[in-house]
Amino acid sequence: LAKTTQPISMDSYEGQEVNITCSHNNIATNDYITWYQQFPSQGPRFIIQGYKTKVTNEVASLFIPADRKSSTLSLPRVSLSDTAVYYCLVGRGYQKVTFGTGTKLQVIP
Amino acid sequence: DAGVIQSPRHEVTEMGQEVTLRCKPISGHDYLFWYRQTMMRGLELLIYFNNNVPIDDSGMPEDRFSAKMPNASFSTLKIQPSEPRDSAVYFCASSPHPGRQNSGKFYEQYFGPGTRLTVT
Repeated sequence: LAKTTQPISMDSYEGQEVNITCSHNNIATNDYITWYQQFPSQGPRFIIQGYKTKVTNEVASLFIPADRKSSTLSLPRVSLSDTAVYYCLVGRGYQKVTFGTGTKLQVIP
Repeated sequence: DAGVIQSPRHEVTEMGQEVTLRCKPISGHDYLFWYRQTMMRGLELLIYFNNNVPIDDSGMPEDRFSAKMPNASFSTLKIQPSEPRDSAVYFCASSPHPGRQNSGKFYEQYFGPGTRLTVT
């Protein structure tokens, strides 16, 4: 399983764009990159997933460089409600899913 | 769709008692997962099922824990006897069939609201 490294915490002001980078140097050829969001007292919520290049949905964008050794989750114009823990996962079908410690994002008014 | 449903939402029990947590996955999802989350250990995968069959139970902490999935719409996680160190939030999640062996769909999991278990 590819090991992931992401910052423990980040602070951002409301209205700013937030970029959270995840390093996964030993990502395998068939691995996907998946991001989850978890609010206090709730279960993790699937946000976005990608394999290469860029993926965008109504919540976030995911940027993946050509070597795929890292990925960046981009949250446009964050609000207080985006305060949560964000997890980066790397793997492919049927592998054991492993959540790391995640990045605790605090949005400041 | 109602999403993944878990019950009870909160459970307080005394050490030594049996605890049963329940989960109803999203209809049509082939995979069901049980996780445990604590401050010390984070989010840990305990066991997962494919089409009601347990596939990987290597995360189950010890024999006091058991999980079953008698049909596609119901699963239980049982702890007998319970101990204070079992106190945690237990999540159930489900995911659709990956389609292809290496599809990322396996990682696209939908979590329930969790059961907060307190063992005194």
